[in-house]
Amino acid sequence: NAGVTQTPKFQVLKTGQSMTLQCAQDMNHEYMSWYRQDPGMGLRLIHYSVGAGITDQGEVPNGYNVSRSTTEDFPLRLLSAAPSQTSVYFCASSFRQGRDTQYFGPGTRLTVL
Amino acid sequence: AQSVAQPEDQVNVAEGNPLTVKCTYSVSGNPYLFWYVQYPNRGLQFLLKYITGDNLVKGSYGFEAEFNKSQTSFHLKKPSALVSDSALYFCAVRAAVSGNTPLVFGKGTRLSVIA
Repeated sequence: NAGVTQTPKFQVLKTGQSMTLQCAQDMNHEYMSWYRQDPGMGLRLIHYSVGAGITDQGEVPNGYNVSRSTTEDFPLRLLSAAPSQTSVYFCASSFRQGRDTQYFGPGTRLTVL
Repeated sequence: AQSVAQPEDQVNVAEGNPLTVKCTYSVSGNPYLFWYVQYPNRGLQFLLKYITGDNLVKGSYGFEAEFNKSQTSFHLKKPSALVSDSALYFCAVRAAVSGNTPLVFGKGTRLSVIA
């Protein structure tokens, strides 16, 4: 199993540009989530999904969109990038929530100029 | 609301000495508690979790954690630290109730093991 994969690893955007961060898992996990990691802030939840067709907002959803058309994929879209979105983004998945362990991807380092 | 506090931004310990990374939590009802480790430029790796039962949980790489319900704590411990344990450690909590309750992370503690 490849586990949780994320592309790209690095990305530089200009303010106002749009892009999609890709996340995929091959473990048949129902639950997937996106976090951003900023120095001194820990991990903050952006959006999550409990299954195909179901998404919900986390702690910091503004400026981000998600969709979940398949069990495997959970892309994160930035419609109009802002410098405040400069961060490292992690995707994670687990069978369900509750007691299940979340497994993390390697991350995408995004810089918005 | 759920929350996690890791009161120390940085912990320094000499190689071979015991280490402790502190974590306290706040949830309604019983908690599910997790520890993750992040090495430089890597994603988070799962170390251990408390679900129910024995308060002492053993995990990967010789780490263990003790659940203390009265003190709402879940401190991470290792009897003898290695230089390779130097990393960023995150505690996380989720309420053990039905429904869609996301995992909440602390801000992380940077562990530095000095040779």
